Amino acid sequence: KNQVEQSPQSLIILEGKNCTLQCNYTVSPFSNLRWYKQDTGRGPVSLTIMTFSENTKSNGRYTATLDADTKQSSLHITASQLSDSASYICVVSARLTGGGNKLTFGTGTQLKVEL
Amino acid sequence: KAGVTQTPRYLIKTRGQQVTLSCSPISGHRSVSWYQQTPGQGLQFLFEYFSETQRNKGNFPGRFSGRQFSNSRSEMNVSTLELGDSALYLCASSQNRASAQQTPLDEQFFGPGTRLTVL
Repeated sequence: KNQVEQSPQSLIILEGKNCTLQCNYTVSPFSNLRWYKQDTGRGPVSLTIMTFSENTKSNGRYTATLDADTKQSSLHITASQLSDSASYICVVSARLTGGGNKLTFGTGTQLKVEL
Repeated sequence: KAGVTQTPRYLIKTRGQQVTLSCSPISGHRSVSWYQQTPGQGLQFLFEYFSETQRNKGNFPGRFSGRQFSNSRSEMNVSTLELGDSALYLCASSQNRASAQQTPLDEQFFGPGTRLTVL
């Protein structure tokens, strides 16, 4: 069964600190992995997308890594800001033989950045 | 380019009623997917439409249905509402080109969602 598990479930850090969020998956056949940021009451916004051959990708203060062998990904946030407070969702895509993709979503890590 | 739009943004209904939600994808996007998001379950896939055809379907009861129009706009309908249907309903669009040169990225762009409350 395709699954995506994220840890920790929630996290509180002080402004300016770094943090790392984890994502483990068992999705097959793997197509790509994405990290989304979702502010409260809003739709998710893509941060990074990585395919099988990519093991790191950055977007400003966000850096995602992918280890396709161990089926693990992490999202590292550098020098956190109050605006980073949100839910971070890991989404793994499997390509369907009939076309399109099957996306499996993690339940997210709720990050709160405090002063 | 305008983003994905969803209407209405908020909706309150009572048990037993039905509801129709609307989604307008980004111009040029042909794939529209619908998701239900609840605090306990996270994002759950409902169905995906591509060129007016339902291509993929999640594990939701038949009370949940959808359709896509020739302009790629999509609607989702929920009949005989239950309390457990209270959720944020998100729509996402992607280019999802059907050609052999299709990029594997197929990034989905989400709308702001419709918050449905069933009383």
